[in-house]
Amino acid sequence: KQEVTQIPAALSVPEGENLVLNCSFTDSAIYNLQWFRQDPGKGLTSLLLIQSSQREQTSGRLNASLDKSSGRSTLYIAASQPGDSATYLCALYSGGGADGLTFGKGTHLIIQP
Amino acid sequence: DAGVIQSPRHEVTEMGQEVTLRCKPISGHNSLFWYRQTMMRGLELLIYFNNNVPIDDSGMPEDRFSAKMPNASFSTLKIQPSEPRDSAVYFCASSLHGYYQPQHFGDGTRLSIL
Repeated sequence: KQEVTQIPAALSVPEGENLVLNCSFTDSAIYNLQWFRQDPGKGLTSLLLIQSSQREQTSGRLNASLDKSSGRSTLYIAASQPGDSATYLCALYSGGGADGLTFGKGTHLIIQP
Repeated sequence: DAGVIQSPRHEVTEMGQEVTLRCKPISGHNSLFWYRQTMMRGLELLIYFNNNVPIDDSGMPEDRFSAKMPNASFSTLKIQPSEPRDSAVYFCASSLHGYYQPQHFGDGTRLSIL
């Protein structure tokens, strides 16, 4: 069964820094990988979805990469802002219905003003 | 555009009572998901509908849980009878095409069973 790990569980950095969030997975046979952010008391907001055939996706200051051979995805946030403070989760779909959808526990990010 | 709409936002009820959670997906989306989130277990997929038909309910914890989607714009998740261990945040999400397109989440229902 797919296992998804996000390390660190929490991260605090000063405003303006570029940072990388990590998502590791054990089974490289995936259809896609999605990055979400979750604000307190809110649902998940989809940030980027990378298909299995893609290496990266970009949206504004965000860039997500996928390396299936090493079982890793990274979310790069450029020029971080206090508004980026949230919990960031990755989710993988490996096929086979509900059993194939696996979420990480998330990285709680705090951007200090 | 309106996002996924869930009601109620908060529900507090006593053990044994029936609880009904409601969801309106984004118009035009053919897939709907119900999730449960707790600190201990994280985010768990309960059930997935495609074109109003339940496709995968393997995540539904037990017979006390049931979900329906009578039309493309409305779904319910019912717990009867409720138990304290059902306390969690329940999310509804929709997508254009199952697991293959981005999922859009509602703000959730925070359920507390006393």
